[in-house]
Amino acid sequence: QLQLQESGPGLVKPSETLSLTCTVSGGSISSSGYYWGWIRQSPGKGLEWIGHIYYDGGADYIPSLKSRVTISLDASKNQFSLILRSVTAADTAIYYCGRILSYYFDHWGQGTLVTVSS
Amino acid sequence: DIVMTQSPDSLAVSLGERATINCKSSQSVLYRSNNKNYLAWYQQKPGQPPKLLIYWASTRESGVPDRFTGSGSGTDFTLTISSLQGEDVAVYYCQQYLTTPLTFGGGTKVEIK
Repeated sequence: QLQLQESGPGLVKPSETLSLTCTVSGGSISSSGYYWGWIRQSPGKGLEWIGHIYYDGGADYIPSLKSRVTISLDASKNQFSLILRSVTAADTAIYYCGRILSYYFDHWGQGTLVTVSS
Repeated sequence: DIVMTQSPDSLAVSLGERATINCKSSQSVLYRSNNKNYLAWYQQKPGQPPKLLIYWASTRESGVPDRFTGSGSGTDFTLTISSLQGEDVAVYYCQQYLTTPLTFGGGTKVEIK
């Protein structure tokens, strides 16, 4: 059974870099046909797709964050990561990682709350 | 970007009654070359991640009860819960996946009347 688990700091200072990792178990991130992505949900708000990456390393990002975000994968650890630079309070959210099939999310991690505050 | 608009924002339905949630996209999410609507529905319960219910607008994910039905085509879609159960209390989201950026509706909160 596929499982995803986010990990990383729960508190990041303004202007610094948010870094999260998603560890995948029960399946390989090197399998063709799947993308691996990140979504965030601000407190009490809806869902925002951040971006995703394919097993060959090709990535796509939401334009509003493209200048600040990088998604990468480490096949040897069966993990993929999110880096968001120069964060502000507006980046405070629950961050979810997920597996994407045909561009819909068929598996999700439990999510991790990241607060941006000094 | 394709904007997804859901209605209503919330609804209260009696146990055993029907709940209907609407989702409208700002442009068609029907891909004519394969005649598929690139539309998914998710259920999110408090403190949990979203869970995939429906994809291709009407295909139920494995394990999803058959009281959940997705319908519609082009720009107008509906999620119907035929007989509301207590465990269906949640927020429901639609998502288009025809093009990036992938976009979600604002959500519809379903409660028990």
